[in-house]
Amino acid sequence: EAQVTQNPRYLITVTGKKLTVTCSQNMNHEYMSWYRQDPGLGLRQIYYSMNVEVTDKGDVPEGYKVSRKEKRNFPLILESPSPNQTSLYFCASSSGGPVYEQYFGPGTRLTVT
Amino acid sequence: EDKVVQSPLSLVVHEGDTVTLNCSYEVTNFRSLLWYKQEKKAPTFLFMLTSSGIEKKSGRLSSILDKKELFSILNITATQTGDSAVYLCAAGSGGSYIPTFGRGTSLIVHP
Repeated sequence: EAQVTQNPRYLITVTGKKLTVTCSQNMNHEYMSWYRQDPGLGLRQIYYSMNVEVTDKGDVPEGYKVSRKEKRNFPLILESPSPNQTSLYFCASSSGGPVYEQYFGPGTRLTVT
Repeated sequence: EDKVVQSPLSLVVHEGDTVTLNCSYEVTNFRSLLWYKQEKKAPTFLFMLTSSGIEKKSGRLSSILDKKELFSILNITATQTGDSAVYLCAAGSGGSYIPTFGRGTSLIVHP
């Protein structure tokens, strides 16, 4: 089954404690991206990757890091989380970039206290 | 700055009603307009529109794009409670890997 998986699905952490949210897709897609979704603000892109070892900033990259060492995986790293990073995070992948259909993961609800 | 505006922000209807959701966009080098449905989980793809005037249909849902007036509509006929969701509109532009999403329209369908 074609899918994007994310882990963990729920996470409560404290300010400053480094964390990683994993993302994996099994569709051999070149394009992967991370979004955060906040009430009233819609989906905003954090980072994207066009292929292995090729990543770039989206609209709201501050406080986040990513890496793309393998085609299927695109982890999101928060080196020093802060309460304003409390949000719902989605990973997505696409065969041709965001002008085409994106497949979204199930989401990770992160709370930073 | 690229912009996508959806209206209305929310809509409450009864089963059997027909609804029209609007999405207007201002995007440099526009390539495509995508509609997604988001229930209490991840967005799922509905339609991709690239050409004006060509209606896309899937069951009771249909969508059309007007590239001259820079908008798209999503129609849902004979609504059902399962149509309750947030409907997201996104515009993709050539040369950019950053899509522009609207804030969504929340649709509630009462039995």
